[in-house]
Amino acid sequence: DTEVTQTPKHLVMGMTNKKSLKCEQHMGHRAMYWYKQKAKKPPELMFVYSYEKLSINESVPSRFSPECPNSSLLNLHLHALQPEDSALYLCASSQWLKLGYTFGSGTRLTVV
Amino acid sequence: GENVEQHPSTLSVQEGDSAVIKCTYSDSASNYFPWYKQELGKRPQLIIDIRSNVGEKKDQRIAVTLNKTAKHFSLHITETQPEDSAVYFCAATSDTGRRALTFGSGTRLQVQP
Repeated sequence: DTEVTQTPKHLVMGMTNKKSLKCEQHMGHRAMYWYKQKAKKPPELMFVYSYEKLSINESVPSRFSPECPNSSLLNLHLHALQPEDSALYLCASSQWLKLGYTFGSGTRLTVV
Repeated sequence: GENVEQHPSTLSVQEGDSAVIKCTYSDSASNYFPWYKQELGKRPQLIIDIRSNVGEKKDQRIAVTLNKTAKHFSLHITETQPEDSAVYFCAATSDTGRRALTFGSGTRLQVQP
């Protein structure tokens, strides 16, 4: 398996909802990442996990809460989001020493 | 932290011509430089990468060059085809410190048939 799987592919949520994005990989990669991508912009780093520990938080608002339950899974819990949080949320993974990312296909999030 | 600048923001070429996209980076510790292709509505896909111990790398119609002294690297696509039309992102990182890619702003390449 050489893929990163993200679910759901699309999500519409209200500003008072709580939802979660899920990411899964079975390549043995020990680094996992969340990126946010707005239209016509590059991916913007949010969080990095290495060996299931949070190693980078790019000053992301607390309404985004990451979780890494095990080496294959990465979640992003969403609560009280704003319309400006609407974007494509990309998960990626890499071997810790090799750096090359494999991206998931993303979750397109719309906050209404 | 790292800052990556990418030019041009848009590039239109005729089918069969070459395309060149250039990036500069700020952190001299960066030693890994991948290029990603992103088609509309799809995930970024790695097309080629280069490490700082190599000056040039080629894979069929795609090549990347790196000038460590000047801190810039370039993507070269020869014999362009309409299916090369996409947004291309350069990126940089180091295998020490942050180990997280910083992306350039992207180049929208359009290949006219």
